[in-house]
Amino acid sequence: ETGVTQTPRHLVMGMTNKKSLKCEQHLGHNAMYWYKQSAKKPLELMFVYNFKEQTENNSVPSRFSPECPNSSHLFLHLHTLQPEDSALYLCASSQEFDYDQTYEQYFGPGTRLTVT
Amino acid sequence: SQQGEEDPQALSIQEGENATMNCSYKTSINNLQWYRQNSGRGLVHLILIRSNEREKHSGRLRVTLDTSKKSSSLLITASRAADTASYFCAYNSGNTPLVFGKGTRLSVIA
Repeated sequence: ETGVTQTPRHLVMGMTNKKSLKCEQHLGHNAMYWYKQSAKKPLELMFVYNFKEQTENNSVPSRFSPECPNSSHLFLHLHTLQPEDSALYLCASSQEFDYDQTYEQYFGPGTRLTVT
Repeated sequence: SQQGEEDPQALSIQEGENATMNCSYKTSINNLQWYRQNSGRGLVHLILIRSNEREKHSGRLRVTLDTSKKSSSLLITASRAADTASYFCAYNSGNTPLVFGKGTRLSVIA
């Protein structure tokens, strides 16, 4: 195990539902990330939090809303999603975030999201 | 697009053989990392090579970096069935977060 946990592991939701994904890291890291991995597409960075402050929002639609209450927890709140949002959502953490990116990232197992 | 490209997209080899995967990128970089992903799971960091390094080893892994050609290769020696996974390169150019390639799917047949 990498020290990063994600719940739930699988989620099926309708387009009108509201749900949340949770990520927790037990590594004492200060940076946390949300990625989206769709079939046959590269891993897409969605959000980065460094010391609880959002430092990157990679043009993500507002139906995805992140929340980072402390350095150990990261949430992704979902509402009125589209079928094309179905994907594996991966959380990661690293010691810190900077643009030199010398810190390796530790990934959770992901949440497989299906939007019907 | 600044996205990296891995080559080949898929590779199938027999156990015991060596596997070589390549990554090309388009910008100058600070460092380049390789990750492994087992099917439907999270990524696991394998190795990081800095832009001023040319080669790095970790166990059965050997990574090379050629900044003049903007390319890197990952060699897995004496492959095992457990090495079956997707392998991704990721890099940053100093003003962007990590950019991941599309990955190479490696199948090692026992």
